Amino acid sequence: DIVLTQTPLSLSATPGQPASISCKSGQSLVSSDGRTYLYWYLQKPGQPPQLLLYEVSNRFSGVPVRFSGSGSGTDFTLKISRVEAEDVGIYYCMQSTALHTFGQGTKLEIK
Amino acid sequence: EVQLLESGGGLVQPGGCLKLSCAASGFTFSSHAMSWVRQPPGKGLEWVSSISGGGGSIYYAESVKGRFTISRDNSKNTLYLQTNSLTVEDTAVYYCARGGQFIYDYDSRSWFDPWGQGTLVTVSS
Repeated sequence: DIVLTQTPLSLSATPGQPASISCKSGQSLVSSDGRTYLYWYLQKPGQPPQLLLYEVSNRFSGVPVRFSGSGSGTDFTLKISRVEAEDVGIYYCMQSTALHTFGQGTKLEIK
Repeated sequence: EVQLLESGGGLVQPGGCLKLSCAASGFTFSSHAMSWVRQPPGKGLEWVSSISGGGGSIYYAESVKGRFTISRDNSKNTLYLQTNSLTVEDTAVYYCARGGQFIYDYDSRSWFDPWGQGTLVTVSS
């Protein structure tokens, strides 16, 4: 199984300031088709996860432009350019290159 | 609007069983792979099982292999998860989620969206 390691596990951010979360994979997530199936989800309190980014850096429908993703191979990053109060929740990375695994999650709170 | 609604959770004793259901609407159910993902209380997400649109291609996490069975009835737009030999470690909210448009062979290379609201399975004596 592919192991995904997220850091930090918790994050306290100031509104209007940037925040970033790292997701490192135990092996390359580049598929045989050359694409990288790394996703980011946000689980707001009391809700199921919602898709933010797909294939590393593509924003899903309706996702604000303040969310961006980068990385390649085994190292990936989610960045929020200016944190807002509604961004509170737990962020998960997920790989789908070889079945599915999730990172441990990163809890974002607002200062 | 695409909707997924899970049901069938509840309290069960160790060694017992439950059958979870996920009723889908708002999309062509038979064209999409479907998956189950679980979340123990206060913990992270764990992929459980996936099935192709036609039902002929199935995968399980090692933690549930041999105990859980995923299936679907495309005439009823419903996904199922039969859970047997339950242990306290199976206590979790179980979510169903829509995958990519894979009818014959399951291909994991897609996202999960949307997710249902989940159904809670509690295994306790």
